[in-house]
Amino acid sequence: SQELEQSPQSLIVQEGKNLTINCTSSKTLYGLYWYKQKYGEGLIFLMMLQKGGEEKSHEKITAKLDEKKQQSSLHITASQPSHAGIYLCGADGGGSNYKLTFGKGTLLTVNP
Amino acid sequence: DADVTQTPRNRITKTGKRIMLECSQTKGHDRMYWYRQDPGLGLRLIYYSFDVKDINKGEISDGYSVSRQAQAKFSLSLESAIPNQTALYFCATGTGDSNQPQHFGDGTRLSIL
Repeated sequence: SQELEQSPQSLIVQEGKNLTINCTSSKTLYGLYWYKQKYGEGLIFLMMLQKGGEEKSHEKITAKLDEKKQQSSLHITASQPSHAGIYLCGADGGGSNYKLTFGKGTLLTVNP
Repeated sequence: DADVTQTPRNRITKTGKRIMLECSQTKGHDRMYWYRQDPGLGLRLIYYSFDVKDINKGEISDGYSVSRQAQAKFSLSLESAIPNQTALYFCATGTGDSNQPQHFGDGTRLSIL
């Protein structure tokens, strides 16, 4: 079965700093999804990557997919307190089932 | 109104009780999923359904059962709750198209004493 490892597990940054979260898969990535979760709340979809080398941006968040490394990175530029939360990557293991496997999440704290 | 609605949002109950968590959706998606989230373990799939009358076990189905009453409704039951089922439970919907993300409800926080 596919496993996703996220690093770091937690991260504390000062407001205004840049940061990167990584998600590495044990198997080929057919689709990689990034979600954000505020404490105790539901998951909000951020971005989806499907092709090697693909890069997407939304506001100050950029995600990239490196197919060869079986890895995706999420980069936040000039972090703000509103970026705080848990970031989760999810991957589709391929085939027709479309079942997602999730990483354990990265807890981001942004200090004002 | 939320596209994926979970009820209740919070529940505290005792060991041995039967509990039902409900999920309804207005997205018109065929596929529905139940996950649980535990600190340090991430999200794990309990059950999923591709349409009415289709039920599939996920990676941690023991101790749980589900019912897909209609395309829009998918309920999760704990027949005899035990403390290690204390967790945050999420319902999600999807189209089966990997070009579309799954959509999640706000979760049910379940505590079993």
